[in-house]
Amino acid sequence: QQPVQSPQAVILREGEDAVINCSSSKALYSVHWYRQKHGEAPVFLMILLKGGEQKGHEKISASFNEKKQQSSLYLTASQLSYSGTYFCGTESPNSGYALNFGKGTSLLVTP
Amino acid sequence: DGGITQSPKYLFRKEGQNVTLSCEQNLNHDAMYWYRQDPGQGLRLIYYSQIVNDFQKGDIAEGYSVSREKKESFPLTVTSAQKNPTAFYLCASSITSAGVEAFFGQGTRLTVV
Repeated sequence: QQPVQSPQAVILREGEDAVINCSSSKALYSVHWYRQKHGEAPVFLMILLKGGEQKGHEKISASFNEKKQQSSLYLTASQLSYSGTYFCGTESPNSGYALNFGKGTSLLVTP
Repeated sequence: DGGITQSPKYLFRKEGQNVTLSCEQNLNHDAMYWYRQDPGQGLRLIYYSQIVNDFQKGDIAEGYSVSREKKESFPLTVTSAQKNPTAFYLCASSITSAGVEAFFGQGTRLTVV
């Protein structure tokens, strides 16, 4: 079952902040975040493991609340290069370690 | 350089023909995966393999077949039974463990006319 992402799309001006949410109806072991530009391969951003850790990558950070089965990706002081589609992925214990991806959140950063 | 290579980047086929998409990796990963991507649908799992000579169906395996004769290679065949094969196909690989990064190829865009 796909995790649910929200919002579906967001438009920002350069320098603004955004939050992308990912929730699952099943217990989560980990949450993976990827960004994809149109027609290209998804690019790995970060993994959050069970334990409630929060990670950061430059001005992009994320949190993981396994009790609520939710993760959020935080983009601060957005840059034009942040534009793309963001996907969260959760591991399915019934499918090896294959990732089950949400439908994505389209982010557009404008000058 | 280590990586995962998909070929070709663009592929056109006539309806009713089988077509095979190539995926090769030199990362020494045991696990390999095939995903299909349609606009607004995210990535959906077609097949996965955790070890040579073994593979499992994913969520949308109907109309597809795979083989895993070598660790480095995981080709996907789109058969004529696949009702709507036009899509962007992504191959990925990882070590066989939970909580690790998956590495993706650049994708193959298949158009069936």
